[in-house]
Amino acid sequence: EAGVAQSPRYKIIEKRQSVAFWCNPISGHATLYWYQQILGQGPKLLIQFQNNGVVDDSQLPKDRFSAERLKGVDSTLKIQPAKLEDSAVYLCASSLDRTGRMSYEQYFGPGTRLTVT
Amino acid sequence: DAKTTQPTSMDCAEGRAANLPCNHSTISGNEYVYWYRQIHSQGPQYIIHGLKNNETNEMASLIITEDRKSSTLILPHATLRDTAVYYCIVRDRSLPWAGNNRKLIWGLGTSLAVNP
Repeated sequence: EAGVAQSPRYKIIEKRQSVAFWCNPISGHATLYWYQQILGQGPKLLIQFQNNGVVDDSQLPKDRFSAERLKGVDSTLKIQPAKLEDSAVYLCASSLDRTGRMSYEQYFGPGTRLTVT
Repeated sequence: DAKTTQPTSMDCAEGRAANLPCNHSTISGNEYVYWYRQIHSQGPQYIIHGLKNNETNEMASLIITEDRKSSTLILPHATLRDTAVYYCIVRDRSLPWAGNNRKLIWGLGTSLAVNP
């Protein structure tokens, strides 16, 4: 079974530029998550999708971050404009959650390491 | 929100059992405890979860105390590939019971070094 795919793996941009990350979840997984992990810290949930609907985006800085999951499969996370404090690893994860029962066995991709200079 | 407390770091000799403790004294009766690990430069990996009873799978065993205020993750025969940060997580209970919107709260984890 293929895992969660993310691209790019690394990105370096200057502050005030924009950047986009892409995620392809495991086939059949209805729930998709984007996390931000700052060096030395645990992951922080930014947004959670159930199919193509947003379940939780309470920790997403909506003035600069946006995310979409068209057709309930792939997802993109965008930052515009980027700030120095956005330097982090951005992780995408997916889980089954098709029946409405909560499944916290999340499968993570390798992440995208963003450096904002 | 229930919070967890874990040692910052631990060492273990290769081939020996690694016992990783976690304190979750404010956990409520219907909250699960989850364990994930993160190997350097990789995404986190699910290990195991439990509610009240001890659990075992091919990766590890989870021992939960009777009062549920603490738990221990046991890697029975640690290898060098088990070197990672181990996260003990409980579910966010601040949101309604129904639905999928009860996110995991990740702490700082325990950095386990398995030494040859």
